Order: sequence, then structure tokens, then C-alpha cells
Amino acid sequence: AQSVTQLDSHVSVSEGTPVLLRCNYSSSYSPSLFWYVQHPNKGLQLLLKYTSAATLVKGINGFEAEFKKSETSFHLTKPSAHMSDAAEYFCVVSDRGNQFYFGTGTSLTVIP
Amino acid sequence: EAGVAQSPRYKIIEKRQSVAFWCNPISGHATLYWYQQILGQGPKLLIQFQNNGVVDDSQLPKDRFSAERLKGVDSTLKIQPAKLEDSAVYLCASSETGYSNQPQHFGDGTRLSIL
Repeated sequence: AQSVTQLDSHVSVSEGTPVLLRCNYSSSYSPSLFWYVQHPNKGLQLLLKYTSAATLVKGINGFEAEFKKSETSFHLTKPSAHMSDAAEYFCVVSDRGNQFYFGTGTSLTVIP
Repeated sequence: EAGVAQSPRYKIIEKRQSVAFWCNPISGHATLYWYQQILGQGPKLLIQFQNNGVVDDSQLPKDRFSAERLKGVDSTLKIQPAKLEDSAVYLCASSETGYSNQPQHFGDGTRLSIL
């Protein structure tokens, strides 16, 4: 069975410092992986996706993620946090059965 | 391209009342999803449509929840009667084909409060 583990429920960073949000997955097959961001009272917005092409994926707003098959990880990073990055982030994996599995989310706080 | 539209944005009802939510997916998207998101949790899939047919409704509480997508475009989700534990945000999402390599696009959701 597929699953997604977001290793941190809360992350706090200072504005201008790097962001690292960790995601590990389990999948029997080559998965598709996504990161979404959810701001308060909003739906989920796609940040980036990995679908078996380049392992380093660049997304919107300066975010990127690296697919590491040997570590079954898909961590989200950003070199410099902005106040507007404060939100909830979800890692999602989908499998050959076209089912999508959501992580439990990581709440990012950016300290001015 | 217009995004996924949902209405209403907020709804407050008393327990045992009924409520309905509406979703208009992105034009041309064949797959439509309804999710329930309880505060502090990730979205939980309630039902998935492919055009106007149901693909997965295994987690839909069918004794009180129903959903339809009659013409393969708009969809409605209904709760009757509502319980206190139904307080949540109901998110609608769509994707072009529903394949695993295609992302879902989400609406802003309907926040339901049960008194």
C-alpha cells in the first residue's frame, strides 16, 4: 500500500533563511509526487510535481524538490523564506491505480 | 483559465438539517473529486467521478451523504441529516483525466459549521 509521511508537523524559520519541508513515501511502483500549499481559507494550490522526468523539480514561488528513489524522499526546499510562504504544505503521492495519498501536512511559520 | 468554482463559501446549519454544496470544475476536466478536510488534517477523499460515473465512493458515508454529477460537468454534494462531526471544509478538485501523473486543481472550499 502507498503512504506518505511528512516528518514535521510544524516548521519555523526566520525570514530570509532556507526552508526544508520533509516528505517520505512508500510505493511499490514509480510514483508521481506533488507538493501543494494551502493558505488560510483557501484551497490547495499546486507548487510542483514529479512524474518520472528530471529528479530535481522546480516549482512556483522559488520552491523546488528533489526526488530521491534510494531514500524514498521528496523534500521541498526554498533558499530564502518570505512572510507570504507561511501556510500549510501537503505532500501527495499517486500510484498506478490513479489513487492519491495525502500527507498530514506541515505548518510553516515565518518569523520576521 | 478559470479555476474550480465552489459555492457557498460558508454555511452554518443546525444538526439534523440538510445542506448542499455545488462545484463547477475546470472546463474540459473529466475527473472530479470531493474531499472533506477536518481542521488540522489533510483532505480525505469522499467521492471521485469520471465524467458522470462514480469511480470511488468507498469513504462516503452513504447513509447521510450523496453526490451527483449528472451531465459530467457540475457536481453537488449533499448531507442529510447533518451531524456535529460533519463540521469541516468540503473541497472540490478536478483533473484533466484522473491519471496518476496529472495534478488535481482545487477550489477554495465550503466551510461547514454544524451547531
